[in-house]
Amino acid sequence: QKEVEQDPGPLSVPEGAIVSLNCTYSNSAFQYFMWYRQYSRKGPELLMYTYSSGNKEDGRFTAQVDKSSKYISLFIRDSQPSDSATYLCAMSYSGGGADGLTFGKGTHLIIQP
Amino acid sequence: DTGVSQNPRHKITKRGQNVTFRCDPISEHNRLYWYRQTLGQGPEFLTYFQNEAQLEKSRLLSDRFSAERPKGSFSTLEIQRTEQGDSAMYLCASSPSVGANNSPLHFGNGTRLTVT
Repeated sequence: QKEVEQDPGPLSVPEGAIVSLNCTYSNSAFQYFMWYRQYSRKGPELLMYTYSSGNKEDGRFTAQVDKSSKYISLFIRDSQPSDSATYLCAMSYSGGGADGLTFGKGTHLIIQP
Repeated sequence: DTGVSQNPRHKITKRGQNVTFRCDPISEHNRLYWYRQTLGQGPEFLTYFQNEAQLEKSRLLSDRFSAERPKGSFSTLEIQRTEQGDSAMYLCASSPSVGANNSPLHFGNGTRLTVT
């Protein structure tokens, strides 16, 4: 079992829909949780950064962390074609320091106009 | 552009050749990381610098790989005697030292290596 599991998709939804992306993990020592967006042939771009359990909202994006279930989610409201990309979850013990980040495989999201 | 800069964007080399990539981090960031990403996978941690000191190396970083950050600013990643399995996107990231370790990483657009 990999440390971080993420469905690679592709996930295809119509424009305007609410998108739900999620990851599960096995290591309860993870404390910091991130979502990155990656367009084709580009580097990952940080979207959301959260510590421990709870919700965080930023514009159309909401990140949720449930440490008891070892489950994290990213919700995208009013999805746009420009949201079409690969979404990577990442986590670390120390927020991205010496231990590095452990990534999921990424979910390929397609927003249909 | 004040983001992380990586050069070259794409490198094609023959098996057995040596290659070197360069990363210029965000100027005020003193932490620098190298990751490798293969098709359909998430990035995998390779190594980490705090200023000029290389503090952590993944077991993925074989003896053919060496990374340096001589003045605590830009970094280079060299791969000697390249193999086809080295074909991947090599990503550089940087972060500031803010308090403890809780500083998110900012990535460059990577160097795509193709070994023929």
